[in-house]
Amino acid sequence: QSALTQPSSASGSPGQSITISCSLTATAADGSKFISWYQQRPGKAPKLLLFEVDRRPSGVPGRFSGSQSGDAASLTISGLQPEDEGEYYCFSFIGGNNWAFGSGTQVTVL
Amino acid sequence: EEQLVESGGGLVQPGRSLRLSCVASGFDFEDYAIHWVRQGPGKGLEWVSGINWHGANIAYADPVKGRFTVFRDNAKKSVHLDMNGLRHEDAAVYFCAKVRTKFSAGESFDLWGRGTTVTVSS
Repeated sequence: QSALTQPSSASGSPGQSITISCSLTATAADGSKFISWYQQRPGKAPKLLLFEVDRRPSGVPGRFSGSQSGDAASLTISGLQPEDEGEYYCFSFIGGNNWAFGSGTQVTVL
Repeated sequence: EEQLVESGGGLVQPGRSLRLSCVASGFDFEDYAIHWVRQGPGKGLEWVSGINWHGANIAYADPVKGRFTVFRDNAKKSVHLDMNGLRHEDAAVYFCAKVRTKFSAGESFDLWGRGTTVTVSS
């Protein structure tokens, strides 16, 4: 069982909003505050979208936002764009000097 | 421009060894932890190993513990991953990634290399 569980897929029409969840099944007590999210397009390296749950690096559009409640984090894409298609991963410290990625969510723009 | 470039991938027989390298440029390499992340064919991202800024704090994922060794040379701005006893399931694209915050163990990665491919086959 993956330490961080994501839905395998999510989809929406352009302009709609979608939310991807990331459930932490095994984490250090304060590990979840370091949740980060990555976008990966086919054949490319991952790109950092959010760090520390809801902070965006410079250059990441404001339509990407994050939140967390207990052992569950989420990424919301508001106003979905065709270029948002790709695979999305959450990442977190999970205790015991270990880190883990979520299982990944394939986002499709209909 | 900040950059990470991986090298050392290739075709290797099961049980053999390989050394991957990650060379950095454009930032104060000695202040940042570096991690290795891999992605098997058609699979998701898998965290492999991390080494902190001065090399004293090292971590490995369970599947590679005891077989892989990570070390860094701050003078040469490089991190290396020695992989021994390679298995079919180790076949993947291996990325090195820079931790976003100075002197942090690894809360997020803001810079990635393009990856180097390891194929394990007889």
